[in-house]
Amino acid sequence: DTAVSQTPKYLVTQMGNDKSIKCEQNLGHDTMYWYKQDSKKFLKIMFSYNNKELIINETVPNRFSPKSPDKAHLNLHINSLELGDSAVYFCASSRGNNEQFFGPGTRLTVL
Amino acid sequence: GQQLNQSPQSMFIQEGEDVSMNCTSSSIFNTWLWYKQEPGEGPVLLIALYKAGELTSNGRLTAQFGITRKDSFLNISASIPSDVGIYFCAGQRSYGNKLVFGAGTILRVKS
Repeated sequence: DTAVSQTPKYLVTQMGNDKSIKCEQNLGHDTMYWYKQDSKKFLKIMFSYNNKELIINETVPNRFSPKSPDKAHLNLHINSLELGDSAVYFCASSRGNNEQFFGPGTRLTVL
Repeated sequence: GQQLNQSPQSMFIQEGEDVSMNCTSSSIFNTWLWYKQEPGEGPVLLIALYKAGELTSNGRLTAQFGITRKDSFLNISASIPSDVGIYFCAGQRSYGNKLVFGAGTILRVKS
């Protein structure tokens, strides 16, 4: 199926750990994004990459580091996880700056 | 910063009723998008609007891009149980800018 996919779907971990979330899209898009959705369902962009180049970097702690090995992948690595990092993280992709298509989300729970 | 005010926050309606929700902003947006998010899933694009005054339909859904470019509304006619979910508006000021999301409208339908 053509889609934006993320792994894992659920991630439960202890405070202080380092974890990664992976995202892949097979839509042929050149722009990928990471969003954070908090407990109140508010969606906020964190990062955007176009052709593997970082173009949007919102005010996100530098414990969060995105990595784009190629146009189809955008991974998110988080160091020293904190309780406040608990949220649902969505990957999205688009062709240029057109409509964004979202992945199914990764629910991160930090204990 | 850029903010979208989305209302109502939630709606609990009878099956068959029409629904209306809207988004307003103090800033001009050149693109308006409407997404629907179901539990455990990512937002799915419903309608994209690119021109002031544009009125676009997608089945029972109709959305309009306000003439002032500071607002948009989404109507759902003859609601059915599968319409339940969270509806988000999103605006983009110009090509290359980030998407800004409203806080969402939670729709519940009584059958």
